[in-house]
Amino acid sequence: ETGVTQTPRHLVMGMTNKKSLKCEQHLGHNAMYWYKQSAKKPLELMFVYNFKEQTENNSVPSRFSPECPNSSHLFLHLHTLQPEDSALYLCASSQDRGFDTGELFFGEGSRLTVL
Amino acid sequence: QKEVEQNSGPLSVPEGAIASLNCTYSDRGSQSFFWYRQYSGKSPELIMSIYSNGDKEDGRFTAQLNKASQYVSLLIRDSQPSDSATYLCAVALFSGGYNKLIFGAGTRLAVHP
Repeated sequence: ETGVTQTPRHLVMGMTNKKSLKCEQHLGHNAMYWYKQSAKKPLELMFVYNFKEQTENNSVPSRFSPECPNSSHLFLHLHTLQPEDSALYLCASSQDRGFDTGELFFGEGSRLTVL
Repeated sequence: QKEVEQNSGPLSVPEGAIASLNCTYSDRGSQSFFWYRQYSGKSPELIMSIYSNGDKEDGRFTAQLNKASQYVSLLIRDSQPSDSATYLCAVALFSGGYNKLIFGAGTRLAVHP
């Protein structure tokens, strides 16, 4: 148990569906992240939020829409996805976005399959 | 050029042997280096960090850093089957006013009895 909870753990959706991934952290951290993990590829940073403000959008397609209503919750809204978007989506948090210690606390991930 | 490179493996070692995992990075300005372990179906967890040239030991784990060669390694002594996992090298890149972690694709380690 890392203190970061992601739901759902598994999601199958069609290309025309709209769904959302949810992340909640119970660590009192100020920064939250979305990463994409595809087979045999490095973890790709998608979005960074610091004190609820988006500080990084790493050229992510607009079919991925993040939302951070407060420092403890992070959502990733999905619509009109493509099969190549199938991957493990990891949420992480850190004390702040400087994370000099390099420690990110990851959730267990949401495994997304786009048909 | 990939920013952080690792051999994907699998690296197969017998139980009790030393496992050596290697990583190279492209940004000479990087100052902080980390190793994460990821078991199959689980999330990554931080196991080692290193900031200065040389060796840093923590139990059976030793991280080695050579900034001149832009090379980081992780040694696991007395390898156990429970060490079988994917090991991710991560490098902190200062960009946009703050540190950003850049990950390698990971090396899969298999320790066989």
